[in-house]
Amino acid sequence: AQSVAQPEDQVNVAEGNPLTVKCTYSVSGNPYLFWYVQYPNRGLQFLLKYITGDNLVKGSYGFEAEFNKSQTSFHLKKPSALVSDSALYFCAVRDNADNRLAFGKGNQVVVIP
Amino acid sequence: GAGVSQSPSNKVTEKGKDVELRCDPISGHTALYWYRQSLGQGLEFLIYFQGNSAPDKSGLPSDRFSAERTGGSVSTLTIQRTQQEDSAVYLCASSLDLGEQYFGPGTRLTVT
Repeated sequence: AQSVAQPEDQVNVAEGNPLTVKCTYSVSGNPYLFWYVQYPNRGLQFLLKYITGDNLVKGSYGFEAEFNKSQTSFHLKKPSALVSDSALYFCAVRDNADNRLAFGKGNQVVVIP
Repeated sequence: GAGVSQSPSNKVTEKGKDVELRCDPISGHTALYWYRQSLGQGLEFLIYFQGNSAPDKSGLPSDRFSAERTGGSVSTLTIQRTQQEDSAVYLCASSLDLGEQYFGPGTRLTVT
């Protein structure tokens, strides 16, 4: 069964500094990887995905993520954080034989003005 | 275009009552998912519908939970004899085949 680990409960970063949210995964087959963001009292919004191809994927709002097969990681990054990036971020994975997504527990990102 | 919609947005019910939660997926999306998000927890998979295939019910926590998807579109999640531990936000998502899932705003269920 697939699983995701997001090791940090909260990530604090100063506005304008680089933001990284960590994610490692475990799947039995080829991974399909996703990042979602959840703003207060809102549903989850899709940010980006990795299915195949270039290991560096770019998504919405200036976010990007790098797939690292050897480290089974898919860390989310943004070069310069904004206060409006403060939200809950979820990493998710499924393998190519199972349509169910396994989500991490989420990381609260706080961008400090 | 229209996204995934869910109703009601909030539901307060007494312990022991039955509740029905509704999800309208994005038009044309063949797959529909239900998740539960409890305070301080991640997202818990409940059930998955894909086209005309039998649903994957492996995530339903008990036989009090059931779901239907009529006509390949609208879905209802039913919780019978609600318990306080059922209190959570219930999220619905849909996707085109096996692509990324798009989520609705959720239904916040409170069982008193």
